[in-house]
Amino acid sequence: EAQVTQNPRYLITVTGKKLTVTCSQNMNHEYMSWYRQDPGLGLRQIYYSMNVEVTDKGDVPEGYKVSRKEKRNFPLILESPSPNQTSLYFCASSRGQGLTEAFFGQGTRLTVV
Amino acid sequence: SQQGEEDPQALSIQEGENATMNCSYKTSINNLQWYRQNSGRGLVHLILIRSNEREKHSGRLRVTLDTSKKSSSLLITASRAADTASYFCATDGGRKDTGRRALTFGSGTRLQVQP
Repeated sequence: EAQVTQNPRYLITVTGKKLTVTCSQNMNHEYMSWYRQDPGLGLRQIYYSMNVEVTDKGDVPEGYKVSRKEKRNFPLILESPSPNQTSLYFCASSRGQGLTEAFFGQGTRLTVV
Repeated sequence: SQQGEEDPQALSIQEGENATMNCSYKTSINNLQWYRQNSGRGLVHLILIRSNEREKHSGRLRVTLDTSKKSSSLLITASRAADTASYFCATDGGRKDTGRRALTFGSGTRLQVQP
């Protein structure tokens, strides 16, 4: 089954404690991205990757890091989380640069206290 | 700033009625997509319409695109309680300043279908 898997689904953490949210896709997609979803703001892109070892900033990259060492994995790293990073996070993947249908993970609800 | 803006923000209808949601965007696009999100869950792709298309159908869904008005509409016919969800339009327009292509989402329409 084609899918994008995120872990964990829920996470409560304290300010400043580094965390990683994993994302894996089994569709051999080149393009992967991370979004955060906040009430009234829709989905905003954090980072994206066009292929292995190729990553770039989205609209709201501050406070986040990513890496793309393998095609299937695209982890999101919060080096020093702050309360304003409390949000619902989604990983997505799609074929190539000509964006077609995007497949989304089930989301990670992060709370930073 | 958001590219796509959905209208209305919320819509409540009875089962069997049609639901129409609109999306407006600001810059030129390559394609426009509609997604559905059940509460707190991942988005699911519904339909994609390319910039050179004016109308597209998929089951009970009908999407129109008017590039001159920079707007699109999603029509769900004969709605069911299971259609209750949030619906988002997403534009793929590319960014001339960065060269980046990305889907840009609006804030969505919350549809409630009463049984």
